[in-house]
Amino acid sequence: EIVMTQSPATLSVSPGERATLSCRASQSVSSNLAWYQQRPGQAPWLLIYTASIRATGVPARFSGSGSGTEFTLTISSLQSEDFAVYYCQQYNKWPQTFGQGTKVEV
Amino acid sequence: QVQLVESGGGVVQPGRSLRLSCAASGFAFSNHVIHWVRQAPGKGLESVATVSYDATHEYYADSVKGRFTISRDNSKNTLYLQMNSLRVEDTAIYYCAKVGFPTYLFWYFDHWGRGTLVTVSS
Repeated sequence: EIVMTQSPATLSVSPGERATLSCRASQSVSSNLAWYQQRPGQAPWLLIYTASIRATGVPARFSGSGSGTEFTLTISSLQSEDFAVYYCQQYNKWPQTFGQGTKVEV
Repeated sequence: QVQLVESGGGVVQPGRSLRLSCAASGFAFSNHVIHWVRQAPGKGLESVATVSYDATHEYYADSVKGRFTISRDNSKNTLYLQMNSLRVEDTAIYYCAKVGFPTYLFWYFDHWGRGTLVTVSS
């Protein structure tokens, strides 16, 4: 199966700062990559799909980039509601695998 | 709007069975694929199983193959997961998640349910 590796495991930032999260695939997944946000006690919420397309209702401060095996999620100016865990997911092959998550904390 | 509501979770002993349901509304269920995804306490997300929109193809994670069976009833807008021979390591929140494009089997998930907790413990 394709292994997704996210870094860092924890990212400590202040409100208003920029956050950059990385995701690496063990083999090419083309642009079949999504990012999800999960707040405590809630289900994941789709942020980005096809590596760089923002989902409906996602603020413009979230952006995604990359293709092949290297991907990045950038949050340009962190708001209080952005402190959460972020997962990348490849949907190029079954099983659709997720990274282990990056926790963005204050 | 799109709604996915899981049910059927609970506490069960190792080796026993449980059946989960995912009731869908707000979209054309018969044209869309839905996956089961689980999350062990404090852990990440794991794809468990999926079935094609017409129920002709099933896919399972290696960790559940031979023990879990996924099915769907398009007349009831409901997805199921029959879980047999449960193990302690199956303890998790089980989510159903809708694929974001009609008929596509493997794609991103544009909607998730709130999940149902399965606890396997003696």
